[in-house]
Amino acid sequence: DAKTTQPPSMDCAEGRAANLPCNHSTISGNEYVYWYRQIHSQGPQYIIHGLKNNETNEMASLIITEDRKSSTLILPHATLRDTAVYYCIAGGGSTLGRLYFGRGTQLTVWP
Amino acid sequence: DGGITQSPKYLFRKEGQNVTLSCEQNLNHDAMYWYRQDPGQGLRLIYYSQIVNDFQKGDIAEGYSVSREKKESFPLTVTSAQKNPTAFYLCASSIGREGDGYTFGSGTRLTVV
Repeated sequence: DAKTTQPPSMDCAEGRAANLPCNHSTISGNEYVYWYRQIHSQGPQYIIHGLKNNETNEMASLIITEDRKSSTLILPHATLRDTAVYYCIAGGGSTLGRLYFGRGTQLTVWP
Repeated sequence: DGGITQSPKYLFRKEGQNVTLSCEQNLNHDAMYWYRQDPGQGLRLIYYSQIVNDFQKGDIAEGYSVSREKKESFPLTVTSAQKNPTAFYLCASSIGREGDGYTFGSGTRLTVV
């Protein structure tokens, strides 16, 4: 699986958009970009994933650059409950399905 | 509701003892995974299984063992050979097809006393 680079921490005001960047310059053509988040002492929660196109669901939007070397997760209206560690993962492109979780970005939403 | 269940949530073990962590899923997923998480760290893969009666070592398999006798179950045994077993253990499952993500359990926190 391709390795990813994320800032260790970010903060955001409640109600504002949170934009979390991720670099995955070594991503291969069949690898997906996944985003998960983990609230302290809980299991990671799936947010969104994509291959080439931008994606949107009820939780977030995923913007993938045309060269696929980076992406941005957007939480359009951050709330205090969005405070968590966010993991960006590039992988899942084979039947092995292994995903590599780095240290992620600690997002703190403040009131 | 379908999901993945890990038990117990907290587990204490004396040094030198083996302990088994349970992971059960009713999602009809083919693939299951065990990860270990240490404070402030990411998740590291211990073992994974793509189908029943088959499993592979992950990045940190030493001192651990698994079995996959049923599709729904993937128990992890932490043996006495694991030198630093105190950690948060996470089980996950997926359909196993290209592009499918994981569903995680809520984790088991193991403490060696």
